[in-house]
Amino acid sequence: DQQVKQNSPSLSVQEGRISILNCDYTNSMFDYFLWYKKYPAEGPTFLISISSIKDKNEDGRFTVFLNKSAKHLSLHIVPSQPGDSAVYFCAAKYDAGNNRKLIWGLGTSLAVNP
Amino acid sequence: DARVTQTPRHKVTEMGQEVTMRCQPILGHNTVFWYRQTMMQGLELLAYFRNRAPLDDSGMPKDRFSAEMPDATLATLKIQPSEPRDSAVYFCASGPRLAENTGELFFGEGSRLTVL
Repeated sequence: DQQVKQNSPSLSVQEGRISILNCDYTNSMFDYFLWYKKYPAEGPTFLISISSIKDKNEDGRFTVFLNKSAKHLSLHIVPSQPGDSAVYFCAAKYDAGNNRKLIWGLGTSLAVNP
Repeated sequence: DARVTQTPRHKVTEMGQEVTMRCQPILGHNTVFWYRQTMMQGLELLAYFRNRAPLDDSGMPKDRFSAEMPDATLATLKIQPSEPRDSAVYFCASGPRLAENTGELFFGEGSRLTVL
């Protein structure tokens, strides 16, 4: 049972427009949510995160929104650039005793077309 | 420029052979993770170390996989014997102490394993 779901395997947008990547979760115990970006043949790199006590976090062109009642978060990229073309992973963290568990979605492949 | 270093980047081996993957975490990071990426399962956690002590290896097939940190600069993931279903990309990641609260990790470039 996937606790973190990215329902869109792929997304295509035009350069300069907004990209919106979505993520749904089921576990109310998650206390941090993260987005990672992955280029081919590279490891994921951290992009932006949000604490469960906030509803928005912004970093330059990237903004993450959290809707706890809907158990939904989204990543907005404005404006989108061709270099943003990558796979984006949503991840969520919860504490399990002495361990910190990070649960990952399957990713959304974003293509930004010039 | 601090980075997580993984070797080998690519490995092709035959079923039944032993495979060892190595990882050098970023100096000063106290947590180390091994992940496996497959198309169907995404990123699966195999092992998690804090201060070189194993904390969670519940996602790792114990009969053939083993993970160790012989010292703070080296983490190893071993598969013996390897099987075709082990073919995947294996990522090592490390994080500073604070990252345990926030989930921010630094990943290596991965080791692509193909078992024939």
